[in-house]
Amino acid sequence: GAGVSQSPSNKVTEKGKDVELRCDPISGHTALYWYRQSLGQGLEFLIYFQGNSAPDKSGLPSDRFSAERTGGSVSTLTIQRTQQEDSAVYLCASSLEAGPSNQPQHFGDGTRLSIL
Amino acid sequence: GQNIDQPTEMTATEGAIVQINCTYQTSGFNGLFWYQQHAGEAPTFLSYNVLDGLEEKGRFSSFLSRSKGYSYLLLKELQMKDSASYLCAVSVDRGSTLGRLYFGRGTQLTVWP
Repeated sequence: GAGVSQSPSNKVTEKGKDVELRCDPISGHTALYWYRQSLGQGLEFLIYFQGNSAPDKSGLPSDRFSAERTGGSVSTLTIQRTQQEDSAVYLCASSLEAGPSNQPQHFGDGTRLSIL
Repeated sequence: GQNIDQPTEMTATEGAIVQINCTYQTSGFNGLFWYQQHAGEAPTFLSYNVLDGLEEKGRFSSFLSRSKGYSYLLLKELQMKDSASYLCAVSVDRGSTLGRLYFGRGTQLTVWP
């Protein structure tokens, strides 16, 4: 597609439920990132995938969070047993590659997650 | 860890010039990005600096001093549509974190008529 596509755009769920967020990166981009943006806070790095390399999971806040990237394209971020503090906008970004060339990251519109 | 600071809010009038500063303390600095984010929308890429100096792109310019850990984004001939949050982000070059961006909290710019 022309840009990074995320779905759903909004998700409201009850505390304790699992949620799955989807990201479809720009075609041909090998690097994919997930960030979280809470009200009044900066973007918080969660995880990134680069080609076939092992993902950098160092930003995941707890073991309730996990992410996959299938076939080097679409990625899903899963949050199990959601808590109210998980409420935030979850942003996905992709770039041509990660590394010294520093290709700019292109962001999707995000998924606004609200935990009741 | 990484420490990136920028002012929380700024205001300016239409047609004016505004400078948004960003200071950072990082190890393995590999470049600095500026993004613009309108409320409820995705951040969009504005500029990238890796060497000292000024990069100009139309009404927007970005400056970097690596020795001082300092950057600024300069917006000229301000327009109402420039009201947005401006995010400073640093890229680090350190093993597995290569390519990861560390963001400041953003500067909310309001342009008045």
